[in-house]
Amino acid sequence: GAVVSQHPSWVICKSGTSVKIECRSLDFQATTMFWYRQFPKQSLMLMATSNEGSKATYEQGVEKDKFLINHASLTLSTLTVTSAHPEDSSFYICSATREGSTDTQYFGPGTRLTVL
Amino acid sequence: GESVGLHLPTLSVQEGDNSIINCAYSNSASDYFIWYKQESGKGPQFIIDIRSNMDKRQGQRVTVLLNKTVKHLSLQIAATQPGDSAVYFCAENGFRGTYKYIFGTGTRLKVLA
Repeated sequence: GAVVSQHPSWVICKSGTSVKIECRSLDFQATTMFWYRQFPKQSLMLMATSNEGSKATYEQGVEKDKFLINHASLTLSTLTVTSAHPEDSSFYICSATREGSTDTQYFGPGTRLTVL
Repeated sequence: GESVGLHLPTLSVQEGDNSIINCAYSNSASDYFIWYKQESGKGPQFIIDIRSNMDKRQGQRVTVLLNKTVKHLSLQIAATQPGDSAVYFCAENGFRGTYKYIFGTGTRLKVLA
């Protein structure tokens, strides 16, 4: 149990376009979802915390108008990178916690974004 | 509060030997700790966790040790296999009142045949 999926697994886009990444909890309802980005050979950097039906809480330095997060249901959160630029190229990973085990984050497989 | 490293320390271990990966955690108030394994191009995979009321917990081929006195966490992998090659991260629930984690910088484990 506690499987988290992401779609797409990789995406290449042109500079200036927007890209949407989906995060789904497949076999549980996610009380909270998190979005991270990870640069090569570095640890995970938290971007925002998302709860169903409420606005996401962004970490300091993360532009909320650039990284739009929507958490429409207990099993789906989306991250939209708006007007993407090459510096937004990164590995984006989501995680989710579930009821009864709210301390443990279960991670998705990640989405590799490359902006040309 | 997230930890970002400029490069990953590497631990090279002979296949069949035991591996010990160490982590110094940040917040003395943290009461939940997790080890994750991350293979190249994939998301972190949960390995084992431990709460602060314990100092040792065992799983299948893995053991986590917690030393709260010196804020140290370790992951022991018995009979290391090639499939264990990955980056290992420790995490703590260092942000009280939230479910956010503080991540360690990570250690790359290389298993030598």
